[in-house]
Amino acid sequence: DIQMTQSPSSLSASVGDRVTITCRASQTISSYLNWYQQKPGKAPKLLIYAASSLQSGVPSRFSGSGSGTDFTLTISSLQPEDFATYYCQQSYSTTWTFGQGTKVEIK
Amino acid sequence: EVQLVESGGGLVKPGGSLRLSCAASGFSFSSYTMNWVRQAPGKGLEWVSSISSSYSYIYYADSVKGRFTISRDNGKNSLYLQMSSLRAEDTAVYYCARATRWYCDYWGQGTLVTVSS
Repeated sequence: DIQMTQSPSSLSASVGDRVTITCRASQTISSYLNWYQQKPGKAPKLLIYAASSLQSGVPSRFSGSGSGTDFTLTISSLQPEDFATYYCQQSYSTTWTFGQGTKVEIK
Repeated sequence: EVQLVESGGGLVKPGGSLRLSCAASGFSFSSYTMNWVRQAPGKGLEWVSSISSSYSYIYYADSVKGRFTISRDNGKNSLYLQMSSLRAEDTAVYYCARATRWYCDYWGQGTLVTVSS
């Protein structure tokens, strides 16, 4: 199975900060990388697909980049509603895998 | 509006069986791949299984292969997960999710499965 490793596991940030989360795959996955946001007690929400495509309705402060094995999710100016846990997910193989998650907390 | 509503969760003893259902509405169910994804209490997301729109392709995570069976009824707009030989580590919220080949774009609210004696 392809392993996905996110860093950091958690971070503290303030409203207005620029936040970057990284995701590394154990082998090349081209651009088959997606990002989800999950708030406590809620289902995950798709933010970014195919590494850099913004899902409809998602604010433009979210962006994704990368290809191969290294990927980044960036929030350009953190808003109060962005405090949540973020997961990357690969769909290069027929058996999908998620990263362990990055919790974004209020500083 | 796309809606996915899971049901069938509950408390089951180790070694027992349970069948989850997911009722879909608001889209052409028969045109989409469907997935099950689970989340153990306080843990991250784990992909469980996927079934293509016409039943042609079915995939499982190694952790459930041979114990879980995914199926669908396109006439009833429903997705199922038959779970057997359940273990404590199968305790989780199970989400039904609509998928393209590459990502899950709509998710249900989940149903909790607790495996405990």
